[in-house]
Amino acid sequence: GENVEQHPSTLSVQEGDSAVIKCTYSDSASNYFPWYKQELGKGPQLIIDIRSNVGEKKDQRIAVTLNKTAKHFSLHITETQPEDSAVYFCAASRSLAYGGSQGNLIFGKGTKLSVKP
Amino acid sequence: DGGITQSPKYLFRKEGQNVTLSCEQNLNHDAMYWYRQDPGQGLRLIYYSQIVNDFQKGDIAEGYSVSREKKESFPLTVTSAQKNPTAFYLCASSRLTTGPSYNSPLHFGNGTRLTVT
Repeated sequence: GENVEQHPSTLSVQEGDSAVIKCTYSDSASNYFPWYKQELGKGPQLIIDIRSNVGEKKDQRIAVTLNKTAKHFSLHITETQPEDSAVYFCAASRSLAYGGSQGNLIFGKGTKLSVKP
Repeated sequence: DGGITQSPKYLFRKEGQNVTLSCEQNLNHDAMYWYRQDPGQGLRLIYYSQIVNDFQKGDIAEGYSVSREKKESFPLTVTSAQKNPTAFYLCASSRLTTGPSYNSPLHFGNGTRLTVT
């Protein structure tokens, strides 16, 4: 089955700096890679996702890159702000058949990002 | 506002007692999920359901049971057979896939922290 490894487990940056979180996956058939952000005391929330037919996707200060050959993908946050402090999870899954659910989504173990003002 | 409600936020039980965690959603989602979150372990899938009166085991189903009598509700029972029940439990929901390139994002509740002593 799929295995997702995430690094680093903790990351501390100064406000305004960039932060990069990296994930690797084992199942070459995986083609959907979402990133979730979990603030303290809350449930995770999707912040960006990417599919295997795309190498990079951006949304304002966040971007995700995917290298299918190497089976790794990364989250990039630029101009970090204190409100970016949270735990970030990467995940991976295969395409779903019509009517399928996300029951095959495998999560990494998370990265705790701290942005110091 | 549409969303997922988990109650209670904190739950305390004595060892040997069964306990049921509530999860209700008003997003009209067909699929619902239960995850367990432990420090440094990421999110691990316990059970999920794609339709009323049907559910599938996830990666760590032993010691847990679920029911899906209504589309809006997916309660999780932590039985006395679960060896390490103390954890943070997250409920989520999603739409079912409507096409080969669509993975519906997970919408999470804010979790229930269960402590068993």
